Amino acid sequence: GQQVMQIPQYQHVQEGEDFTTYCNSSTTLSNIQWYKQRPGGHPVFLIQLVKSGEVKKQKRLTFQFGEAKKNSSLHITATQTTDVGTYFCAGQGGGKLIFGQGTTLQVKP
Amino acid sequence: EAGVVQSPRYKIIEKKQPVAFWCNPISGHNTLYWYRQNLGQGPELLIRYENEEAVDDSQLPKDRFSAERLKGVDSTLKIQPAELGDSAVYLCASSLGLGTQETQYFGPGTRLLVL
Repeated sequence: GQQVMQIPQYQHVQEGEDFTTYCNSSTTLSNIQWYKQRPGGHPVFLIQLVKSGEVKKQKRLTFQFGEAKKNSSLHITATQTTDVGTYFCAGQGGGKLIFGQGTTLQVKP
Repeated sequence: EAGVVQSPRYKIIEKKQPVAFWCNPISGHNTLYWYRQNLGQGPELLIRYENEEAVDDSQLPKDRFSAERLKGVDSTLKIQPAELGDSAVYLCASSLGLGTQETQYFGPGTRLLVL
């Protein structure tokens, strides 16, 4: 069945450093969604990418969807302590939305 | 506007006991999801409703799990009997339209501990 893999599983950075998480699907996706989950909280929708090669930005966050629509990335520039949490990608394909296992970001002040 | 409401927030039970979770989606949202999230993992879909119809329950362990959304609004998820491995956070989410391409809004979840 469809699988969505994320790397790395954990990332510790110094405040001000950049951070990137990568998402790979075993099948071509119709779209990909990104969510953020703060410690003890629930997933909160960040963005959806639909088009091949699409790039979207939200302040310091840059989201990319691969040309083959099988991979995606989230890049955070100059991390802040408020960026702490787990970032999930969720790939849409075959009428299903499959979540990756997430990348947990820790930011040291 | 109120978000997705879930109750209880926490539940501790002994194995073999039954347990039920309740979810009230955002008003007007047609699609409702139940997910299970194990520690350190992403949410895994258990069942998806479009209005009152369960359109995807392929991942629901039907021997012990059941769900209903009788009037197409709120929903309950039941486990009977619970097993140790059922300890997890059970998340409910809803989206406005039909299908899975819509933005999903998650509730706070019910944290279940089976002893």
